[in-house]
Amino acid sequence: DGGITQSPKYLFRKEGQNVTLSCEQNLNHDAMYWYRQDPGQGLRLIYYSQIVNDFQKGDIAEGYSVSREKKESFPLTVTSAQKNPTAFYLCASSLFATGIEETQYFGPGTRLLVL
Amino acid sequence: AQKVTQAQTEISVVEKEDVTLDCVYETRDTTYYLFWYKQPPSGELVFLIRRNSFDEQNEISGRYSWNFQKSTSSFNFTITASQVVDSAVYFCALSEIKAAGNKLTFGGGTRVLVKP
Repeated sequence: DGGITQSPKYLFRKEGQNVTLSCEQNLNHDAMYWYRQDPGQGLRLIYYSQIVNDFQKGDIAEGYSVSREKKESFPLTVTSAQKNPTAFYLCASSLFATGIEETQYFGPGTRLLVL
Repeated sequence: AQKVTQAQTEISVVEKEDVTLDCVYETRDTTYYLFWYKQPPSGELVFLIRRNSFDEQNEISGRYSWNFQKSTSSFNFTITASQVVDSAVYFCALSEIKAAGNKLTFGGGTRVLVKP
């Protein structure tokens, strides 16, 4: 089945530790996105990527890093510089990168908790 | 800057009642797209509908219907004869084109609780 997978479902981070969230898609979509959702709030864009080896900062990129070495993969690293990382992280993809009509499809999310 | 406002934070109804979710947006763009997503308790966002700024025709899909009014910058969503499975958080979103790709701006979401 085609879709977006995120792992792990739950992730625990210790103080000062970097952690990486996985996002994989087999939809052959060009663009991929990372969002953060805090309790009771909407989604905020962290990073997005239109093509392999290229990505742009979203609204809240500080404390996060990404890579796009393969079309189907867009991992997100939450660094120790992110002082408040506890949140629900959602990965999305769209068929094409440009075009405001493009629908973004979402993965099941990863919940990150700080120990 | 673009903005999406969902003034209702939570709506509680009894099964079979209708429920309408409000969405008001702000944009300077003349061409834009609006979306509705559903987030069930599992957490994954499920795409429901997409509407472009030139198409103000209302749409019905089963028990769902959407009312887009450009004059009032609103894109409201109605669930007819609600069911317990409709319990979820619903998000309205606005798409804007940027030099490096499109971007979605989300509202804060409306939690719908349907009681049996």
